[in-house]
Amino acid sequence: KAGVTQTPRYLIKTRGQQVTLSCSPISGHRSVSWYQQTPGQGLQFLFEYFSETQRNKGNFPGRFSGRQFSNSRSEMNVSTLELGDSALYLCASSLGRVPGNSPLHFGNGTRLTVT
Amino acid sequence: QKEVEQNSGPLSVPEGAIASLNCTYSDRGSQSFFWYRQYSGKSPELIMFIYSNGDKEDGRFTAQLNKASQYVSLLIRDSQPSDSATYLCAVIGNQGGKLIFGQGTELSVKP
Repeated sequence: KAGVTQTPRYLIKTRGQQVTLSCSPISGHRSVSWYQQTPGQGLQFLFEYFSETQRNKGNFPGRFSGRQFSNSRSEMNVSTLELGDSALYLCASSLGRVPGNSPLHFGNGTRLTVT
Repeated sequence: QKEVEQNSGPLSVPEGAIASLNCTYSDRGSQSFFWYRQYSGKSPELIMFIYSNGDKEDGRFTAQLNKASQYVSLLIRDSQPSDSATYLCAVIGNQGGKLIFGQGTELSVKP
């Protein structure tokens, strides 16, 4: 079974631009979560989607948004990029029928650099 | 107080020894507990999950959960150099769905 696929693997953007990251979950997984990982803050939860609905949200500004499609694929968008948005963005999928009852499986991440 | 706290690393153990990794959490209603391993430059991979008080063993790994003390640990027996990685404790709180990670403990196993 194919794992979680994230595209692109690397992105370089300038301040003020916007970016869209993509995630394809494991086949059959309906929950997709997004995390930001930085050396200083570690892994921080952005949001979780299940069946096209945002089920949980972390403490990030409104510049960070996401959505999930009917095939469970998900996208994350960051608008008006800031230098501090430079990070590894990780997507994870799970069966997710009951939150917390199935483990997350992570993709390889998208490394975003904002200059 | 951070929601999930782990031993400050790095933790260094000799090959063949037992590595003990600890984690405490603040939400008393937390129900699900996970240990992930992350090699440098790679994404986290699930090692174990535990839902009930007590011990859960899987090969060289044992997860221990004590909900009364809000404490979860991971023991790695017969540590190998290939176990050298950052170990992340993660907890799903009472609200569900939101997996909160600790900062991670870097483990170094010396040959």
